[in-house]
Formats: sequence, C-alpha cells, structure tokens
Amino acid sequence: DADVTQTPRNRITKTGKRIMLECSQTKGHDRMYWYRQDPGLGLRLIYYSFDVKDINKGEISDGYSVSRQAQAKFSLSLESAIPNQTALYFCATRSGSRGTKQETQYFGPGTRLLVL
Amino acid sequence: ILNVEQSPQSLHVQEGDSTNFTCSFPSSNFYALHWYRWETAKSPEALFVMTLNGDEKKKGRISATLNTKEGYSYLYIKGSQPEDSATYLCASFTGGGNKLTFGTGTQLKVEL
Repeated sequence: DADVTQTPRNRITKTGKRIMLECSQTKGHDRMYWYRQDPGLGLRLIYYSFDVKDINKGEISDGYSVSRQAQAKFSLSLESAIPNQTALYFCATRSGSRGTKQETQYFGPGTRLLVL
Repeated sequence: ILNVEQSPQSLHVQEGDSTNFTCSFPSSNFYALHWYRWETAKSPEALFVMTLNGDEKKKGRISATLNTKEGYSYLYIKGSQPEDSATYLCASFTGGGNKLTFGTGTQLKVEL
C-alpha cells in the first residue's frame, strides 16, 4: 500500500463549488504539505503543517484553506472554486524529528482538478 | 539568485549519451538541496539530498554535486537509457528547513 494517498485522483467541478482534497499518510511524519503544479511552473507551496496545531500559509494560499484533522490527515479545501485553480495538486510529508536535515519529502500520487 | 532556477528546460538525448543539468539556488541561509525524479503520471521521487558544500552523491548511473558557496548543483546521468526519461526537479530548503522552493524542472527525453 502507498505511504501517502490522495483522494480523489481526478475531479471535475464547476465554478463556485466547494471542493475538498484529502491526503492521508502512514509514514508517521509530523510535517505535511500541499503543492500545486501548473505547466511551465515549479511546484508551488499552498499550505504546510508541522503538527495538528501548527498550520502555515505557503506562497499561494489565497482561495484555499486546510485542515489537519490528525497527524495522518491533511485536507485542502477550495471554498469557491475558480477556473485558474485548475491544476495538479500534490500532498507531501516529511519527518520533522531532530537531525532530519537529510530527510526527503514523500509525495502522494496527485489529484488532477479541472474547474469549469 | 532569489529563486531556484534549472537549465535547460528540456533536453533530448540519444540512448547511451551522458548528460547533465544545472540547478541554481540562493546561497544565503542554505539548508539543504534536494533532487527529485518525476515520471509522467507518477509522484516525484527523491534522488538525493545534499547538505554540505562539495557533497557528491551517486545512485547507479546518476550522480550529483553541490556548491553551496556559489549556489549551484549539477545532476549527471551517464549512459542515458529510455527509462531515464522524466522531469528532474531540484528544490532548495532555506531558512532553517521549513519549506522547499522548487525549480521548474528539466524534462529529459532519451530516444533509442
């Protein structure tokens, strides 16, 4: 089974609809991240969380909100979807323990979202 | 350099060719430099994490070097194979390692 899972994998929605993307991990990591990827642009950070009570905005948080329901779950919501939020969304996790400078991020399979 | 920049943007090589790409990143407040390999329809997967100036890492035919003083890293692929075709992403951790800043990637296509 995959360590980092995302649901749904693909979603088509209409402008103005509320949508939630979910991420779960079994790696026991403290840190979780949401990114979006657009053609020609790098992965851009939307929100990140270091634990259940520590949530931080990334570089492109406008129009998004998140919820860290448990250490293993981190959800991304689009309160009122708009077409320019059409993108590929990735969740990622990373260990936050001391001495983890060498730790990589582990990515989920991605959610492809189309907003009409 | 304020952002993470990668070059070239894309690259087509023949099977057996050796190739290399460049990642430039802010050298101030450097924490770590990551390389990821991203195949179409899959998740990005980590190749290397490098933290020290002069670091060299190797995994099979792929290797990477790091210069933190001047803010660049090279990724080398020796004897490219079609299965090496992917987008190679680099990302820099700054400011104590709170978050990664990604480059736009180098898209490699290895042709028979």
